[in-house]
Amino acid sequence: NAGVTQTPKFRILKIGQSMTLQCTQDMNHNYMYWYRQDPGMGLKLIYYSVGAGITDKGEVPNGYNVSRSTTEDFPLRLELAAPSQTSVYFCASSDTGFGNTIYFGEGSWLTVV
Amino acid sequence: GENVEQHPSTLSVQEGDSAVIKCTYSDSASNYFPWYKQELGKGPQLIIDIRSNVGEKKDQRIAVTLNKTAKHFSLHITETQPEDSAVYFCAASNDYKLSFGAGTTVTVRA
Repeated sequence: NAGVTQTPKFRILKIGQSMTLQCTQDMNHNYMYWYRQDPGMGLKLIYYSVGAGITDKGEVPNGYNVSRSTTEDFPLRLELAAPSQTSVYFCASSDTGFGNTIYFGEGSWLTVV
Repeated sequence: GENVEQHPSTLSVQEGDSAVIKCTYSDSASNYFPWYKQELGKGPQLIIDIRSNVGEKKDQRIAVTLNKTAKHFSLHITETQPEDSAVYFCAASNDYKLSFGAGTTVTVRA
């Protein structure tokens, strides 16, 4: 039972480079999320999706893009990486939205130098 | 928007003692309050949650209490064990948004 799987686990980017964090879930959940976690700041929502073809901004969307072409996949795209995007990124999913259990992946550690 | 404050930021307890983490929220429309545990190098995992129509919920050594009037809720861990060492996050949801506290690093001393 894989749950939420995200790749890569670790990545170092140079300023200005772009990359995509991959996320897939095998629980047939409608809702998917991307969070970033910075020390002492908790988890901040970047983007979320309520179903295939539907995405919406969270609290901190600037510098990121997402797409949701299938129920299973929800990639996060970083364009023109900046040092401020150095963080730990978590993909997550849930069956019925923010008012129920959210299942997190194991995280992707990204450093922009 | 919702603001969730969590205290303390760090907590060190002797094995076998109790640990208490407190959170306050600002949005009176919040009706769902989950607690997540994050072990080193892992993603957060739900350990217990409570809804606004319940004042207290218990699951073995962990319990959560909710005071809607005061807008605060707390996590209680009794008989702490080394495997309880982790970062704990509280959160509050109004169905349209889930806001997290900044986290509490709990260390259980042997």
